[in-house]
Amino acid sequence: DTGVSQNPRHKITKRGQNVTFRCDPISEHNRLYWYRQTLGQGPEFLTYFQNEAQLEKSRLLSDRFSAERPKGSFSTLEIQRTEQGDSAMYLCASSLVGGTGPLAKNIQYFGAGTRLSVL
Amino acid sequence: AQSVTQLDSHVSVSEGTPVLLRCNYSSSYSPSLFWYVQHPNKGLQLLLKYTSAATLVKGINGFEAEFKKSETSFHLTKPSAHMSDAAEYFCVVSLPDNYGQNFVFGPGTRLSVLP
Repeated sequence: DTGVSQNPRHKITKRGQNVTFRCDPISEHNRLYWYRQTLGQGPEFLTYFQNEAQLEKSRLLSDRFSAERPKGSFSTLEIQRTEQGDSAMYLCASSLVGGTGPLAKNIQYFGAGTRLSVL
Repeated sequence: AQSVTQLDSHVSVSEGTPVLLRCNYSSSYSPSLFWYVQHPNKGLQLLLKYTSAATLVKGINGFEAEFKKSETSFHLTKPSAHMSDAAEYFCVVSLPDNYGQNFVFGPGTRLSVLP
């Protein structure tokens, strides 16, 4: 297992375009989280899934933001009609909750992130 | 509501001297507390986690943190700084797991280590 993987690492787009980011969690993990991090700030929670169910999405920044995890494995975060203010690092994390093995420590493991630049 | 305050945005120490990164939290519940480190162009890495088992928590790379409920603090320390410790450090508070494990990050403290 190579940890949480995010693609692409960098995305440059023009204002008004749609972008989609992908996150592949650690395979045994049932929870997946999305965060946004702007320069000089800590990550800001956006949404999370338990398996394929999106349990919290009120923190998504606007209705232009949406996330899916259709089969309970990888997830995508889409931003429609991007704005310059969307430029940030988008982080994904995963964890295992409810299990009994050594991985079930309810710790979030983070990917390296996708850096979005909106021109 | 939960919140995290990291009292110093930047800390600079000399190699071989002690490190102290300060964190205060506010939570309506008994919190889980974490410290994560972020090196440039790398993902966030867990240093240590507090979940009420012991107030002094030992983490990786010689770091440790002490939970003080009366002071609502969770300061991170290391006896002797190494050049490789230079990074951004985040204190995190989380609700109990059955509340959805919503992480709230502090604004971060940038640690510089001088030769």
